[in-house]
Amino acid sequence: NAGVMQNPRHLVRRRGQEARLRCSPMKGHSHVYWYRQLPEEGLKFMVYLQKENIIDESGMPKERFSAEFPKEGPSILRIQQVVRGDSAAYFCASSPQGEVTEAFFGQGTRLTVV
Amino acid sequence: AQSVTQLGSHVSVSEGALVLLRCNYSSSVPPYLFWYVQYPNQGLQLLLKYTTGATLVKGINGFEAEFKKSETSFHLTKPSAHMSDAAEYFCAVSETGGFKTIFGAGTRLFVKA
Repeated sequence: NAGVMQNPRHLVRRRGQEARLRCSPMKGHSHVYWYRQLPEEGLKFMVYLQKENIIDESGMPKERFSAEFPKEGPSILRIQQVVRGDSAAYFCASSPQGEVTEAFFGQGTRLTVV
Repeated sequence: AQSVTQLGSHVSVSEGALVLLRCNYSSSVPPYLFWYVQYPNQGLQLLLKYTTGATLVKGINGFEAEFKKSETSFHLTKPSAHMSDAAEYFCAVSETGGFKTIFGAGTRLFVKA
């Protein structure tokens, strides 16, 4: 049973480009959480999704950021018109139910904006 | 609102010495508490968690933590440090049955030979 898979592991984008980060949850998990880790900081909650639904996006910046978790395929975190401040590690976690005690984390995508 | 404070962004110990990483939390409801470890360029791995029941929680790799409600603390300990313990450790809190986990800023553990 593969763990939570995130790709790419490293992503470099120029300012103004779009970044797409993918997260495939563990088999049997229908709940996905995205977190952002800025340098020297802990993880900050961004968004919680179930299949085809956004449950809580209180941690998402109001502009340029969006997330989806379609019926088929991975969850996508999309950042439009990236800026240097978006450079961070983005982690995805998944759980079988909406219960954070059972969440498993992926290895993260490290986004660098140049 | 919930919050987590980890005392000391860097902790250095000698191999074989006691490891103590401090964590204090605030929560208006009974909390779930976690410790995660992050090795360089890796994701987070759950070390241990407290949900209900016994306040002394044992985790992987010889780590344990004690939930002290009166002190709002959840400090992580290991009797004897090993070189492989060098990593960053995150304390986290969530509401009972909740989905949003609040993480501390992390403590980087250095182990000297």
